[in-house]
Amino acid sequence: KAGVTQTPRYLIKTRGQQVTLSCSPISGHRSVSWYQQTPGQGLQFLFEYFSETQRNKGNFPGRFSGRQFSNSRSEMNVSTLELGDSALYLCASSSIPRGNQETQYFGPGTRLLVL
Amino acid sequence: DAKTTQPNSMESNEEEPVHLPCNHSTISGTDYIHWYRQLPSQGPEYVIHGLTSNVNNRMASLAIAEDRKSSTLILHRATLRDAAVYYCILRDLIQGAQKLVFGQGTRLTINP
Repeated sequence: KAGVTQTPRYLIKTRGQQVTLSCSPISGHRSVSWYQQTPGQGLQFLFEYFSETQRNKGNFPGRFSGRQFSNSRSEMNVSTLELGDSALYLCASSSIPRGNQETQYFGPGTRLLVL
Repeated sequence: DAKTTQPNSMESNEEEPVHLPCNHSTISGTDYIHWYRQLPSQGPEYVIHGLTSNVNNRMASLAIAEDRKSSTLILHRATLRDAAVYYCILRDLIQGAQKLVFGQGTRLTINP
């Protein structure tokens, strides 16, 4: 089974631009979560989508948004980029939730650099 | 979210056992204890999880204190490939939520 894939792997943008990152979950997984990783703040939860609905959201400004498609693929968008948005963005997928024991499988991440 | 406390870094030698501690004094009765690790230049990967009893799998063992306020991840025979940041996480209790709350983790260095 193929793992979680994220595209692109690397991205350079300038302040004020917007960016869209893509995540394809493991086949059969319907839950997709997004995380931001920076040296200063570590790994922080952005949001989670399940069956095309956002179920949980972290403490990030409205410039960060996402969506999920009917095939479970997910995209996240960051508008009006700031220097502080430079980070590794990680996507994780898991199977149909049965409680709080589901393993999350992470992709390799998209490294975003904002200049 | 319940918090965990881990040492910032640990060092061990190849082929020796490694015990990675985690304190979670505010754990609630139904919080599961999960461990993930992040190898260099990769996303985190699941290691093991447990509730009350000690757990074993092919990667590691998890020893949970009787009062559940602490736990220890045990790598029985460390290899160079085990060098990573190890995260101890208490799973959020919101029904069906897949949110993982990561702390700073323990950076494990393995000496050849």
